[in-house]
Amino acid sequence: EPEVTQTPSHQVTQMGQEVILRCVPISNHLYFYWYRQILGQKVEFLVSFYNNEISEKSEIFDDQFSVERPDGSNFTLKIRSTKLEDSAMYFCASRERLAVAKNIQYFGAGTRLSVL
Amino acid sequence: AQSVTQPDIHITVSEGASLELRCNYSYGATPYLFWYVQSPGQGLQLLLKYFSGDTLVQGIKGFEAEFKRSQSSFNLRKPSVHWSDAAEYFCAVVSRNAGGTSYGKLTFGQGTILTVHP
Repeated sequence: EPEVTQTPSHQVTQMGQEVILRCVPISNHLYFYWYRQILGQKVEFLVSFYNNEISEKSEIFDDQFSVERPDGSNFTLKIRSTKLEDSAMYFCASRERLAVAKNIQYFGAGTRLSVL
Repeated sequence: AQSVTQPDIHITVSEGASLELRCNYSYGATPYLFWYVQSPGQGLQLLLKYFSGDTLVQGIKGFEAEFKRSQSSFNLRKPSVHWSDAAEYFCAVVSRNAGGTSYGKLTFGQGTILTVHP
């Protein structure tokens, strides 16, 4: 079964450093998402991406965050200058298309980001 | 704004016992409803979904859920729990606009951790 792949599984970084979290969505999917889960809290929506642009973003997704689909397969989340509070599990998800019947998101295993 | 509430943070059951995990949502119209499961070290796996039609939906691993509009609930059930069902379970909703389309943003509940005793 096709799956969403995220790398690395665990990223440790120093406060103020830039990090890039990588995702390979399912190959025929058109919608891409990032979510995060701070330890002990809900999974929260960060951003959705379609047709090479952001379609929706949350209040969390400020100027420190950016997303990119640099080629036909990767989908990345960049945090420009990490803060302690960015420590969380980050999930990538993808969805096939807009139609109601295909409104199912498939999730990767996540990247645990630890900011020291 | 829509919200999802899972009132039970942690549930413990014995293997073979029945299970019901509660989920309530707050949304102006009928949302699309989902249950996901997360095992340790794994991603979120879709158990089942409700879009429309029959309010009792069947999912994978023997799970089912019932949509009750009057109670704004979408509770997850399993008649006989297996030790491998121990995991964290998330209820989620996605909004759709008047045209029936959606950009797919999911709003999750807090999650319910299920422990299964032998």
